[in-house]
This record gives sequence, C-alpha cells and structure tokens, in this order.
Amino acid sequence: DGGITQSPKYLFRKEGQNVTLSCEQNLNHDAMYWYRQDPGQGLRLIYYSQIVNDFQKGDIAEGYSVSREKKESFPLTVTSAQKNPTAFYLCASSISLAMNTEAFFGQGTRLTVV
Amino acid sequence: SQQGEEDPQALSIQEGENATMNCSYKTSINNLQWYRQNSGRGLVHLILIRSNEREKHSGRLRVTLDTSKKSSSLLITASRAADTASYFCATFFNTNAGKSTFGDGTTLTVKP
Repeated sequence: DGGITQSPKYLFRKEGQNVTLSCEQNLNHDAMYWYRQDPGQGLRLIYYSQIVNDFQKGDIAEGYSVSREKKESFPLTVTSAQKNPTAFYLCASSISLAMNTEAFFGQGTRLTVV
Repeated sequence: SQQGEEDPQALSIQEGENATMNCSYKTSINNLQWYRQNSGRGLVHLILIRSNEREKHSGRLRVTLDTSKKSSSLLITASRAADTASYFCATFFNTNAGKSTFGDGTTLTVKP
C-alpha cells in the first residue's frame, strides 16, 4: 500500500534530550512537510522540503532540525532548544511544491515531555 | 494570526441535517483546501478549489470560494454520525511555494 508512515505513534522525552521523529513515504513525492498541532488548534508549519538535500524553515522552525538525505525520508529532530515540545506532530507529502496539489498526511506522533 | 480562520469553532447537529463551515483568509491565494481530522489522527484531504473557481462538489460536499470576500464555505449535506470530526481549511499562496496556513478548525459533532 502506498502511503506515508510516521513512527513512533507516542514518544516521551526527558527535559534536555533530543528526539527524532520518523517520516517515510512511498508515494514518490518530491515535497515533504512537518507540522505541529497543539490542542484545539490548527497546524503550524515547522519545515518543508522540495527535493532531496534541500529544506526550508517554516513558521516555527526554532528548536527543530530536519534532514532530507533520501526522497522517501524526512526525519524531524526536536532539540533541547525547543522549550515547549509537547504536541502532536504531523508529517505530510505532496507530488511537488506546485500549489495545486493535495497533501497526504501520516497518522502523527504525539510527543510528551516528562 | 492564522491566515485561515474557521467559523464556527464548534457545531453540533442531528444526523440528516446539513452542516456549514466557513473559512476566512487575509491575502491572495492560489488555492484553498479543506481537510478532515478524526480525533488523534492525521488529516485527510477532502477537496481543493482554485482561486479561479467559485464552486466545487464532491459527493455530499460542496465548497464555495469568494475571492472578493476572501472566504470559503464547506457544506456537508445529509450528515452522518461518521462525519463527526474536525474540519480545517488550508490556504496556499501565490508566492512562497510550500508555505501553507491552516486555520484552527471547526469541530463538528453529528448526533445519531
């Protein structure tokens, strides 16, 4: 089945730790995105990538880092510099950054700082 | 503030009734998309409407776009309990490809 997979579904982080969230897609999409969702709110863009080895900051990139070494993978690292990381993280992909294409979302990773 | 803002924040209706949600935005867009999210899950794309389109249908969904008022509406007809979810509009801009803005969503509850 084609799709976009995020893992793990739940993640717990201690204060001061870095954690990495996985996002893999087998849709052959060029563009990939990371969003953060807080309770009762919409999505805010963290980073996006148009193509391998290229990525751009979104609206709330501080405290996060990404890499795009392979077309199908776009991992997100939540660093200790992110002061309020507890949130629901969603990864998405689309055929390209061309604006008339829909985005396909993973099922999300819920990160909790303990 | 968010580019796309949905109204109302919450909507509760009986099965069989129609549900209407509205979205307003602030700057010129290339297209506007509606997504659905079940609790604790990812988003599912429902419909895309381009800036040069005024109305679009998909099954029980009807979306309108008024670029002069910078607003869009999503109508779900003959609602079902399974339509219970949060609905988000997302705006995509003429410039800065990749940048999209999601509203805070409308939470729809359809009572059986």
